[in-house]
Amino acid sequence: ETVMTQSPATLSVSPGERVTLSCTTSQSVGKNLAWYQQKPGQGPRLLIYDASTRATDISARFSGSGSGTEFTLTISSLQSEDFAVYYCQQYNNWPPYTFGQGTKLEIK
Amino acid sequence: EVQLVESGGGLVQPGRSLRLSCTCSHFTFGDYAMSWFRQAPGKRLEWVGFMRSQAYGATTEYAASVKGRFTISRDDSKNIAYLHMNSLKTEDTAVYYCARDRTTVNIRLDPFDVWGQGTLVTVSS
Repeated sequence: ETVMTQSPATLSVSPGERVTLSCTTSQSVGKNLAWYQQKPGQGPRLLIYDASTRATDISARFSGSGSGTEFTLTISSLQSEDFAVYYCQQYNNWPPYTFGQGTKLEIK
Repeated sequence: EVQLVESGGGLVQPGRSLRLSCTCSHFTFGDYAMSWFRQAPGKRLEWVGFMRSQAYGATTEYAASVKGRFTISRDDSKNIAYLHMNSLKTEDTAVYYCARDRTTVNIRLDPFDVWGQGTLVTVSS
């Protein structure tokens, strides 16, 4: 099973700041990695797939990069609606599909 | 707007069964594989299983933790995917989500682009 590790667990930031979230995989997943945003009481929302492709209707302030075992999600200028939990997920080595433990963005 | 709505969650005793439904709208349901996930309190998201579309044989795959106890089915005439859960254990307590593959191509190298809001299953005596 491919183990996903996200860092940091929690990030306290101010609106307007630029943030970078990290995701490391225990074995190579190529570029078959996605990022999701989840808010309380909602299902995950796909932001980025294939490591760097924005999903439909996702703002250009979200960008992804990486390949192999190291990936990042960058939010260029945090808006109030961006405070949420972010998960990475690999879809290269299945079963099972696996997720990171999440990074929570909170308002400083 | 594409929509997935889960239902059927609730409180159930260990060893009993429960069926969850995922009612879908505003897309051609029969063209897509459908997956189920769960998230236990304080834990990361966990993939439960998926069912391919009829075009790819409507075959299924399951996580080791539920294989032999859980079954996924679908009714393409009603646009509903089901998760049948038998021999429930306390560790099955979680919010359960259904989700759609991003594309209709069965390469299985695809993320999940639309998710429901989830339904809570609590297994307790």
